[in-house]
Amino acid sequence: SQQGEEDPQALSIQEGENATMNCSYKTSINNLQWYRQNSGRGLVHLILIRSNEREKHSGRLRVTLDTSKKSSSLLITASRAADTASYFCAPSSYDKVIFGPGTSLSVIP
Amino acid sequence: DGGITQSPKYLFRKEGQNVTLSCEQNLNHDAMYWYRQDPGQGLRLIYYSQIVNDFQKGDIAEGYSVSREKKESFPLTVTSAQKNPTAFYLCASSPQGGETQYFGPGTRLLVL
Repeated sequence: SQQGEEDPQALSIQEGENATMNCSYKTSINNLQWYRQNSGRGLVHLILIRSNEREKHSGRLRVTLDTSKKSSSLLITASRAADTASYFCAPSSYDKVIFGPGTSLSVIP
Repeated sequence: DGGITQSPKYLFRKEGQNVTLSCEQNLNHDAMYWYRQDPGQGLRLIYYSQIVNDFQKGDIAEGYSVSREKKESFPLTVTSAQKNPTAFYLCASSPQGGETQYFGPGTRLLVL
């Protein structure tokens, strides 16, 4: 299945620490996307990394992609309480994006 | 303002009733999507459309129907055949299939 599988399912850290979430998938992709969802809200796009890219940065976010291992990671540096949310990876083919079950991140002040 | 809107925010369905969830976008996006999210779960794809007058089933299309008569609109009907419709429904659009998706605020459907 194209669906991503995030690991861990839940993560709790202290404010200021770094948070790392991993994603694995099974089929070839065009790109891989990461999204964030605050409780009861729609998803917000964070970053998109294309299949020919290995690393991408956006502010405090760093995403890596290893297509040979079919895996990706999302690093949030210097976490804040406002980063508390669910994070989803979404491997993408030419026509659709399939979301994984997500990682629930809690940042404790 | 550009964006994607969903209405209503909350919707109540009686047994045997069909209900329709609205999704509108003014982003000039070709592709639109409907997802279902159950508590503590990820998103599951119900239907998607890459172009007007065309749509495809996702992973859980049974009990749902859609139409795409206009580029801006992609309404979802939850039919009486959907026996467990209570969930959070999210609509999204993207410039083309497989690209960054922009989500609406969601509709929470509850069964009376």
